[in-house]
Amino acid sequence: DQQVKQNSPSLSVQEGRISILNCDYTNSMFDYFLWYKKYPAEGPTFLISISSIKDKNEDGRFTVFLNKSAKHLSLHIVPSQPGDSAVYFCAASDNNAGNMLTFGGGTRLMVKP
Amino acid sequence: KAGVTQTPRYLIKTRGQQVTLSCSPISGHRSVSWYQQTPGQGLQFLFEYFSETQRNKGNFPGRFSGRQFSNSRSEMNVSTLELGDSALYLCASSLQGFSSYNEQFFGPGTRLTVL
Repeated sequence: DQQVKQNSPSLSVQEGRISILNCDYTNSMFDYFLWYKKYPAEGPTFLISISSIKDKNEDGRFTVFLNKSAKHLSLHIVPSQPGDSAVYFCAASDNNAGNMLTFGGGTRLMVKP
Repeated sequence: KAGVTQTPRYLIKTRGQQVTLSCSPISGHRSVSWYQQTPGQGLQFLFEYFSETQRNKGNFPGRFSGRQFSNSRSEMNVSTLELGDSALYLCASSLQGFSSYNEQFFGPGTRLTVL
């Protein structure tokens, strides 16, 4: 039973446009959400996070939106750059479970010049 | 500040052998978690250590074990290796252990190949 799902395995976007990556979760106990970016043969790199008491968090070109009622979060990248091409993972945690992260399956983003 | 380091970066073993992987967290970080990444199962949580105590364990067989030392460095061990244990093993460290509201920083991983 996948508790965190990224339904789009891949996304292709033109440079300069907006990239929107989506993530759905089923466990209502999740209260903290993170996005990571990953290149092959490297560890994930932390991008941005949001706690369940917020509905938006922004950091430079990256904005994460959380819709708790829909159990949905999204990552917006504006403007997209070719260097953003990577696999993006959303992850969720439950404050009662320490630092255990549950990951989605990932979305491969390709930003075309 | 140095990041999370993992050794070795690559490892080739044969079925039935055992392996030990090492992780040094970011200085000052007390929580270390381990994850397995495979093409079929994605990123899956193995276990978490905080102050030398295992706090959480994922759904993996007892062949997978770990420990944490007083300097927060951690090791994980896999005994009686199977072909399906071939994966990228990732270690993550975080500053706190009593709250989930803190980022985890990942190391580069150890690529284990079981032949």
